[in-house]
Amino acid sequence: GIQVEQSPPDLILQEGANSTLRCNFSDSVNNLQWFHQNPWGQLINLFYIPSGTKQNGRLSATTVATERYSLLYISSSQTTDSGVYFCAVRGRDYKLSFGAGTTVTVRA
Amino acid sequence: KAGVTQTPRYLIKTRGQQVTLSCSPISGHRSVSWYQQTPGQGLQFLFEYFSETQRNKGNFPGRFSGRQFSNSRSEMNVSTLELGDSALYLCASSQGFNEKLFFGSGTQLSVL
Repeated sequence: GIQVEQSPPDLILQEGANSTLRCNFSDSVNNLQWFHQNPWGQLINLFYIPSGTKQNGRLSATTVATERYSLLYISSSQTTDSGVYFCAVRGRDYKLSFGAGTTVTVRA
Repeated sequence: KAGVTQTPRYLIKTRGQQVTLSCSPISGHRSVSWYQQTPGQGLQFLFEYFSETQRNKGNFPGRFSGRQFSNSRSEMNVSTLELGDSALYLCASSQGFNEKLFFGSGTQLSVL
């Protein structure tokens, strides 16, 4: 199946800092989504972004499907941004594959 | 609009038993998918249903099964539980197939 790699695995930020999370995938995809899992385990959909760029408040994402990667940008980070960020792709077989996640800790 | 609802929230079972988990999707959503999350294996896809038909299945043994009802509610069943089945089981719904996913809070299953 399709391989999904996320980097970095861990990220520690000071409140107010900016950061970039990366998701690489090994084959062409039918869609790509970014999720945030909060400390209580709830997964929140941040972006549905098979290609192009989208913005939602302090978050934005870019997917370059032809080069098989996606980036998630967090600007002016807040403590509530802490949690695990997952990239998930739906490959040619339409099965959803998740990356291992990036654990973000934002310190006040 | 209510979100995706999963019941029960927590479950404790013993090896060899079977378990049924329930998922009610967002109203109007016709696609439901299930996932297993463990510290060792991360998030893994179990299966996906659309309009009562299984559209896709992950690489799990036949002990894991599911179904979807005409009102789009879904259940998954795990028979002959093993210790390694202890995990957070997550359900997600989407309006259609291959669309944006919305997750429930999950069912935390512990197998003793």
